[in-house]
Amino acid sequence: AQSVTQPDIHITVSEGASLELRCNYSYGATPYLFWYVQSPGQGLQLLLKYFSGDTLVQGIKGFEAEFKRSQSSFNLRKPSVHWSDAAEYFCAVVRGSQGNLIFGKGTKLSVKP
Amino acid sequence: NAGVMQNPRHLVRRRGQEARLRCSPMKGHSHVYWYRQLPEEGLKFMVYLQKENIIDESGMPKERFSAEFPKEGPSILRIQQVVRGDSAAYFCASSPRRMRGQWDTGELFFGEGSRLTVL
Repeated sequence: AQSVTQPDIHITVSEGASLELRCNYSYGATPYLFWYVQSPGQGLQLLLKYFSGDTLVQGIKGFEAEFKRSQSSFNLRKPSVHWSDAAEYFCAVVRGSQGNLIFGKGTKLSVKP
Repeated sequence: NAGVMQNPRHLVRRRGQEARLRCSPMKGHSHVYWYRQLPEEGLKFMVYLQKENIIDESGMPKERFSAEFPKEGPSILRIQQVVRGDSAAYFCASSPRRMRGQWDTGELFFGEGSRLTVL
């Protein structure tokens, strides 16, 4: 069965520092992978997605993610974090042909000045 | 274009009452997904609906929970005889078409959620 693991529950980085959020997936075939961001009290916004092709995917707000099949990973990165990036980040994989997403438990990002 | 609209944003119910959560998908979207987010948890899939059809309800609790997406009007998630454990944020997402075979976008568009508190 498909699953997603986000090993880090909470990460704190300094503003301007680089960021990497980890995501590992379990899926038999080529996965369709997503990163969403959720600000407090808000819904989820898509940051980026991977279907096929180039394994380095660019998203909005300066985020990127790299698909590594050998490591079953899809880590999210940003070279320089801004205070407004403080939020919760969810990695997700599509389940079968139904289109519903299976989410990880999320990583909460705090940004210190 | 209006996004996915959910209401109410906040709902307080006493144990044993009914909760009704509504979701209007984005214009042109005919597929709706409901998710539940418990504190400190990710989003858990509940049900996937098309107009007048339940496609996949494998994530719905067997009792007290039901969902519909009528031909006209919003999708409704109904929780009967609520208990404290039902307190959560309920998110609706929509997509323009059912995903099968070759994907086009795969993106789900989420509403801002309905936060249910059961006293």
